[in-house]
Amino acid sequence: DAKTTQPPSMDCAEGRAANLPCNHSTISGNEYVYWYRQIHSQGPQYIIHGLKNNETNEMASLIITEDRKSSTLILPHATLRDTAVYYCIVRVFAGAGSYQLTFGKGTKLSVIP
Amino acid sequence: EAGVAQSPRYKIIEKRQSVAFWCNPISGHATLYWYQQILGQGPKLLIQFQNNGVVDDSQLPKDRFSAERLKGVDSTLKIQPAKLEDSAVYLCASRTGQPRGNTGELFFGEGSRLTVL
Repeated sequence: DAKTTQPPSMDCAEGRAANLPCNHSTISGNEYVYWYRQIHSQGPQYIIHGLKNNETNEMASLIITEDRKSSTLILPHATLRDTAVYYCIVRVFAGAGSYQLTFGKGTKLSVIP
Repeated sequence: EAGVAQSPRYKIIEKRQSVAFWCNPISGHATLYWYQQILGQGPKLLIQFQNNGVVDDSQLPKDRFSAERLKGVDSTLKIQPAKLEDSAVYLCASRTGQPRGNTGELFFGEGSRLTVL
């Protein structure tokens, strides 16, 4: 089962920041938080990941609370092309040095002109 | 670099027929995953390969689904016989096995959409 909780949908005005929340209250100390998004009819696309510290890349910022029980993905200036389903995932180890990503239902973000 | 290639993109079959999906991962990627995504849901992991060995197939319905990765590169997912509830998009993903210097991200193909009538 997915170890994360996300709102099913959110709206954001074009040009404004989109803040997508995620709860992962049962996360373990060595488990990473990953964010992916899925644009209609495409495969999921990696956005960002983090363990404890806040992270930023060219796509987004990831803010992780100090207790690591929740995080927020921030798209600083949302565009219409950011309309997608956003998945917050806790990476779990699968044995043999490997790991898996278990997807939940995600948050459908609609960017409105 | 070329992405994950999947074929066919679309397939329509009748129930009880068989179907096979093919995946060519990114060159050099040791780990390969097959996911099933039913409309309105997130992708669900079916099977994970490390090179040509199975790491996890606990969620693969083995009475009808099978998958192989014989030479540790391409992979095939087969369904026989298909049921109505198998209608879904089948996604293949791959990642490098090298733990350092990379994000550990999975690279997904565009998927194969199966409709069972």
